[in-house]
Amino acid sequence: QSVLTQPPSVSGAPGQRVTISCTGSSSNIGAGYDVHWYQQLPGTAPKLLIYGNINRPSGVPDRFSGSKSGTSASLAITGLQAEDEADYYCQSSDSMSGSVFGGGTKLTVL
Amino acid sequence: QVQLQESGPGLVKPSETLSLTCTVSDYSISSGYYWGWIRQPPGKGLEWLGSIYHSGSTYDNPSHKSRVTISVDTSKNQFSLTLSSVTAADTAVYYCATYNNYGYYFEYWGQGTLVTVSS
Repeated sequence: QSVLTQPPSVSGAPGQRVTISCTGSSSNIGAGYDVHWYQQLPGTAPKLLIYGNINRPSGVPDRFSGSKSGTSASLAITGLQAEDEADYYCQSSDSMSGSVFGGGTKLTVL
Repeated sequence: QVQLQESGPGLVKPSETLSLTCTVSDYSISSGYYWGWIRQPPGKGLEWLGSIYHSGSTYDNPSHKSRVTISVDTSKNQFSLTLSSVTAADTAVYYCATYNNYGYYFEYWGQGTLVTVSS
């Protein structure tokens, strides 16, 4: 299983707000390493969505936001749109394993 | 913006060595990023394999360290992955990506290439 734990799936209706959690441990998120988030649309490569816990690359809508506290992090998506339906992955660094990813969360827009 | 493109055989036999190359465009591989390989088995999540700097310094996933070799060819603006003694479990889409070594995240990704291990 993955070093970082994410819920397998979340869902929400258009316009709603959803959050995706990413839980780590004292060797990764809890050690102070930043958390980053990626969006993977069906059949495409992952795309950087949030870096450094809270920062959005140019072009990413402000409907996407990140936060981090203790050994966990969260991705929030507000004003949910059909085009947001994708897999979402968190990533951090781990003192034992190097770069680590969460298992991914499938977002379904109802 | 950095462009990356993976290339290599789409089919590898069990016990043989998988070899992939990532060609970097619109950016000099010597200019600053680390360069990484990530894979994704069909229907599963992402797994980091390793990263390399243009100097040749590498940063490996301990889980695969004995089988993975990453190298860089600055003259061709390419970096490569070899994975030895492959099994069906190594069937995956393999991505190359830039690794921002200040923030420790993967900034730009190639489109990925599917490698199937089968006899």
